[in-house]
Formats: sequence, structure tokens, C-alpha cells
Amino acid sequence: DSGVTQTPKHLITATGQRVTLRCSPRSGDLSVYWYQQSLDQGLQFLIHYYNGEERAKGNILERFSAQQFPDLHSELNLSSLELGDSALYFCASNGQGIGELFFGEGSRLTVL
Amino acid sequence: GENVEQHPSTLSVQEGDSAVIKCTYSDSASNYFPWYKQELGKGPQLIIDIRSNVGEKKDQRIAVTLNKTAKHFSLHITETQPEDSAVYFCAARDNAGGTSYGKLTFGQGTILTVHP
Repeated sequence: DSGVTQTPKHLITATGQRVTLRCSPRSGDLSVYWYQQSLDQGLQFLIHYYNGEERAKGNILERFSAQQFPDLHSELNLSSLELGDSALYFCASNGQGIGELFFGEGSRLTVL
Repeated sequence: GENVEQHPSTLSVQEGDSAVIKCTYSDSASNYFPWYKQELGKGPQLIIDIRSNVGEKKDQRIAVTLNKTAKHFSLHITETQPEDSAVYFCAARDNAGGTSYGKLTFGQGTILTVHP
């Protein structure tokens, strides 16, 4: 158990819909990272939040947004969903400096 | 930005054999190279990492080597066991990430199967 909690584990929805994925980092970690894992693109960095502030963005679509709340949990919002958005979405957290990134078990999104 | 290539995409070995997975990276400024193991239905888990000021690191049956000049690094697993079967990812920290220390560029993954 990495200590990172993600909900929901599975989500099935239709094109055009909007979903919210939730992540709670390890106790004491201020950083939350979101990654997307798809068959053709592998693991891709989406966005990083540190203590409520956005710190870095990857190739995140404009239809996607995220935020980190005062209690440090984070939400990834995916809107106007397309078939190609079907993927595993991972949240990860870490402590200070360069070191281990702790991943949650992921949220599997299926868009039909 | 950083680009990481990983080979092979699949690797099948007999129990007790060694397994080697290789990665190359593009950004000579990259300074941190972790390896993650992902089991079915789980998130990636760090198994070993190496920093750019070190050429080799070993942890029991697992070792990683880094050649900064050639910009490649490799994972070596000796005396493989069936429980080593999983997907393995190499990664490089994106030096352009500033203080986003967890901003990693991953390779495409290697599916390792260890046959009993």
C-alpha cells in the first residue's frame, strides 16, 4: 500500500460527459502529480500541484483541469469526454526533493 | 523536452536466468533515473533509482547502470523468479521541471515474463 488513495477505481461514461477523479496523497506529502496511462502513449505527465498551487503542466488537454484543496487532496476534472480519453489515470505524491514517487492504484476511465 | 526509449518491449526468461532492460534518454541535463515495476491492477512502484553522479547501484538481485556519455541506463535482474513477472518502466526526471521533482518522462515499458 503506497498510502496514496484514488477514487473511483473504475468509471464508465459516455462521450461528451464530465467526470471528476479524486486523489488523497500520502500523509505529510504536499505534492500531487497526475499521470495518464494509455496503451499507445504509455505513462504521460499531466500536471503537478504543490500545497494548493499549480507547479508544472505537461501535455494536458484544455478539456482537463485539476485543483488541490487546503486538505491537500486533489481532483482531476475531465470534460467533453472523447473515446480517446479512455485510460488509467494515476495520482502520485512525494516528499521534498528528488526521490521516490508514490503512485495510487489508479482510476480506470472508459468512455463509450 | 526529454525523450526516453526503452527496449525490449517484451522479455521472456526462464526462472533463474538474468533479465536486462535498456533505456536511452535525450536530455544530457537529466540527473535522476528511476525504475518502476507495475503489477496487474496496481500503480507503478519504485524498485531502484540512480542519480547522474553514480555509475552503478545494486540492491540484492537488482542493479542499475548508467552511462552518461552515451545517455543510456540499464536494469539488470539476476536469478529471476516468477514473482518478478510484471511491466517495468524506466524514467528520467525532466530537468526542465524545476522544483517539480516528480515530473518524470517514462519509457514505453517492458513486459517481463518469468517462466517457472
